Amino acid sequence: AQTVTQSQPEMSVQEAETVTLSCTYDTSESNYYLFWYKQPPSRQMILVIRQEAYKQQNATENRFSVNFQKAAKSFSLKISDSQLGDTAMYFCAFMKHPGNAGGTSYGKLTFGQGTILTVHP
Amino acid sequence: DTGVSQDPRHKITKRGQNVTFRCDPISEHNRLYWYRQTLGQGPEFLTYFQNEAQLEKSRLLSDRFSAERPKGSFSTLEIQRTEQGDSAMYLCASSRVGEGVGFFGPGTRLTVL
Repeated sequence: AQTVTQSQPEMSVQEAETVTLSCTYDTSESNYYLFWYKQPPSRQMILVIRQEAYKQQNATENRFSVNFQKAAKSFSLKISDSQLGDTAMYFCAFMKHPGNAGGTSYGKLTFGQGTILTVHP
Repeated sequence: DTGVSQDPRHKITKRGQNVTFRCDPISEHNRLYWYRQTLGQGPEFLTYFQNEAQLEKSRLLSDRFSAERPKGSFSTLEIQRTEQGDSAMYLCASSRVGEGVGFFGPGTRLTVL
């Protein structure tokens, strides 16, 4: 079974600054996907960024980038130039690669406990 | 089609009553997922469908829970004889085969009194 741990229950950052959210995971799988999701207050979950474990290059999406350390099983999210609209709960999530999942369990996400990020003006 | 929709958004019920939630996925998505999220926690997988077939159910899904996806379109999640521990946000998500879970609905918040 996979586990995902987010050790920072809450983080805060000033507008325009950079913040990094931590995530570690445990798995015996060699190939898998990792995700960061954003859940604004009272709004629906949004996919922020995705990383495929077999790709060494870290994923980036505009102001969002990840630092994926496969050997250390670490997957942190860096938000640059933080904006007030980045205030949300952020979840790290793991998913088996479909090739490993044998056609099942694909799409079954294992989430961490979440980190509440507050961006201050 | 603007995204995944769920109905109702809020449901308050008394212990022992049955409740049913509906999810309408993005129209071209053939995979549909149900997750449950309690306050301050990450979502937990309940079950998922590919078209009309229910391919996996979590052990969290007790005999009181049943989900259907007739004709591979919308899905319903029914909870029978609700208990206070069922109080949670129930999230639906959808995707195409071969893609990750990119689209979640707004959720149905269930409160069992």
